[in-house]
Parts: sequence; C-alpha cells; structure tokens
Amino acid sequence: QKEVEQNSGPLSVPEGAIASLNCTYSDRGSQSFFWYRQYSGKSPELIMFIYSNGDKEDGRFTAQLNKASQYVSLLIRDSQPSDSATYLCAVKGTSYGKLTFGQGTILTVHP
Amino acid sequence: GAVVSQHPSWVICKSGTSVKIECRSLDFQATTMFWYRQFPKQSLMLMATSNEGSKATYEQGVEKDKFLINHASLTLSTLTVTSAHPEDSSFYICSARDGRLNTDTQYFGPGTRLTVL
Repeated sequence: QKEVEQNSGPLSVPEGAIASLNCTYSDRGSQSFFWYRQYSGKSPELIMFIYSNGDKEDGRFTAQLNKASQYVSLLIRDSQPSDSATYLCAVKGTSYGKLTFGQGTILTVHP
Repeated sequence: GAVVSQHPSWVICKSGTSVKIECRSLDFQATTMFWYRQFPKQSLMLMATSNEGSKATYEQGVEKDKFLINHASLTLSTLTVTSAHPEDSSFYICSARDGRLNTDTQYFGPGTRLTVL
C-alpha cells in the first residue's frame, strides 16, 4: 500500500464547475497536509495546507481533512481552464519536516 | 512571501562531468532544505534532506557519493551531481522549509532541468 494515494485521473470538469480532488494516507500519525499545484514543466507551488479536522477555505479552494478516515480533499470552485494542472497531495508524517507526496491527479478544465 | 530560487534553470553537460545546482531561500532562513528529482510523468522523489551545518540525510537508494549536498548557510544549499551520466538527466527541484510556520510548509524552487549527453 502506498503511503499517500491519489487518483491519477485525468479528471475532466467543465469551466465553472466544482473540481473535487481526493487523497488518502496510511500513517495515522500524520500531522500536516498540503496541496500543491504543478503545471507541466514547472515546479510545484503551494495552494494551501491544513492540519485540523474540518474545512479550510482560501478563495476558490477548500481543503477538507478527516483524520479518522485518513482522508484529505481539495475542492476547486468555479474551475477555470488555468486550473488545469497536476495536483499533488503531500503529507507530513512523523519524520522531521519530511513530506510524502502522492502521485498526483491530473485535472483538465475544459471551456 | 516565501521565495526560493534555483540556479541554473537548465544545464546541458557531457557525460562524466560534474554539475552544481544552487538553491537559495530569498526572504527567510531555511535550516532544512530538500532535494527532489522528477522524471517525466512521475511524481516527486525525495533524494535527500539537507540541514544547515550538518551532513545531509539521503533516501534509500540515493548514492551520497554521487549526489553531494552542502548546506553551508541558512539560505543556501547546493547539490553536485558528480560524474553525470545520461540516466541522471532529470528535473531537479529543491524546497526549503519555512520554520516560521509550525506546519513544516515547504516552498519549492523553480527547478533545474539537467540533460546529460
């Protein structure tokens, strides 16, 4: 079992729709959870992080964390073609500072 | 913000040569930096953790004598790929841990694309 799992997609949504990206993790001791966006040929850029159960909103993005289910998700409202990218879920476990990344979900937003 | 730079952004070299890549945190001090490698259509693979003033910690399977890491200051870490070969061609990305936040947030540099001929 992979430590951090994501559906590789591709996930295709129409412009203006809500895109829902999911991630599960295996280490129950995981403390912090991150969503990064990576455009083709570029390095990852941080979208947001969450460390408490529940929802965290930042603009069009909402991260949801459920530690009991070992599940974290990212919702993108009013999806735009510019949101088309690979979304990486990263989890900080018990190792100091070290993040474990999922394989990423490819999102395509079509006009 | 938290800005991380990398230099060079791309490099082409001949097989057998060594290549040095610099990673700098521009507006914060980073006691810990990380080096990743990413092959096409694959996810990030952590190579090593670089701590200021101490030896780097390498992930299993990463040759420490081939990938030399030096973290000489709180804002600079370098990765040297020694005796590079075509199979070392990849996208090398560093990240710096922003210790001002308690969540271990990592900010990534723009990456260095290495091509070994």
